[in-house]
Amino acid sequence: DAKTTQPPSMDCAEGRAANLPCNHSTISGNEYVYWYRQIHSQGPQYIIHGLKNNETNEMASLIITEDRKSSTLILPHATLRDTAVYYCIVRVAGGSQGNLIFGKGTKLSVKP
Amino acid sequence: GAVVSQHPSRVICKSGTSVKIECRSLDFQATTMFWYRQFPKQSLMLMATSNEGSKATYEQGVEKDKFLINHASLTLSTLTVTSAHPEDSSFYICSARVLASGTQYFGPGTRLLVL
Repeated sequence: DAKTTQPPSMDCAEGRAANLPCNHSTISGNEYVYWYRQIHSQGPQYIIHGLKNNETNEMASLIITEDRKSSTLILPHATLRDTAVYYCIVRVAGGSQGNLIFGKGTKLSVKP
Repeated sequence: GAVVSQHPSRVICKSGTSVKIECRSLDFQATTMFWYRQFPKQSLMLMATSNEGSKATYEQGVEKDKFLINHASLTLSTLTVTSAHPEDSSFYICSARVLASGTQYFGPGTRLLVL
């Protein structure tokens, strides 16, 4: 699976949008971008995934650049409970192809 | 999203004993489950991939005779840490994959402390 690069840490003010970047310049045409987050001492939580179109769900929005070499996860109104490590992972979706390999992620701290 | 449970959530055992951890997919069938381990302040490390009805595939450096994995049904996989030692103390997390979408959902984790 392709590697991703994320900033090690970011701060965000409560109530503001949190924009978490991810670079995946070697992504293959059939690889999706997945985002998970891990709150301290819990298992990772699935957030969203996409191939090339922007995606939105009740948790977040995913913006993928046209060349697919980078993406941004957007939490529109960050709360203190959004403080977590956010992981951007690329892998082939569907069926039985590819495993989720976790990098170091971005530690997001939402401050009051 | 799909729900994955783990049991127990926390276990303390003596060195040399074996510990079994259960992972269940509660509202979907999972032909493939995964076991990860996470040491303090580190990221998750994939230990093995568990396929229902067949032998697990272990990542390089993970001892298959020490970490026994059984995936006997479409909703249950177990990880047994045999002859546990203090260095096996860690946070063990399972994950189950939804076949149609390929999305993986994670359990809440099991914290193992070996004394």
